[in-house]
Amino acid sequence: KNQVEQSPQSLIILEGKNCTLQCNYTVSPFSNLRWYKQDTGRGPVSLTIMTFSENTKSNGRYTATLDADTKQSSLHITASQLSDSASYICVVGASGGSYIPTFGRGTSLIVHP
Amino acid sequence: GAVVSQHPSRVICKSGTSVKIECRSLDFQATTMFWYRQFPKQSLMLMATSNEGSKATYEQGVEKDKFLINHASLTLSTLTVTSAHPEDSSFYICSASSGGLGHEQFFGPGTRLTVL
Repeated sequence: KNQVEQSPQSLIILEGKNCTLQCNYTVSPFSNLRWYKQDTGRGPVSLTIMTFSENTKSNGRYTATLDADTKQSSLHITASQLSDSASYICVVGASGGSYIPTFGRGTSLIVHP
Repeated sequence: GAVVSQHPSRVICKSGTSVKIECRSLDFQATTMFWYRQFPKQSLMLMATSNEGSKATYEQGVEKDKFLINHASLTLSTLTVTSAHPEDSSFYICSASSGGLGHEQFFGPGTRLTVL
């Protein structure tokens, strides 16, 4: 069964600090991995997308890494801002006929001033 | 990026009534649309996948006769919650994909359904 596990479940940090969110997956056959940011009461917004051959990708203060061998990904947020407070969701896509996404439960990040 | 809209953004209805939620891709043709449900502090749960012009594929445990999905055009999909009950109250989110490289999904802003 395809699964995506995220940790920590929730995280509280002070504004300006860095943080790293983790995503472990057992999805086969692997197609791609995405990180989304979801503000409360809103739809998710894509931050990064990575395929098998990519091991790092940045989007402003967000940097995602992927280790396809260990099936792990991380999302690093640099110099956090209050607006970073949101849920961050890791989504791993499987290929093979049709595209099937598996969602993680998300990490709830709260940035305090 | 591509824009997906949902209407309405919020709806309150009485138990036993039906509610229709629209999902539109505004600036691209969506060959595939996905419908999700999200309960408070939970992840998105895929309900069904629909391809334009064909019947939707429902996930296990999702009643197809209760959650009617129509994907009549490349820019519009609808989800109708029939005979809604309070336990159907949730946040419903759609996403649309053009099926291009990476199968990028663009999410709508969601619809908050409250059944009294």
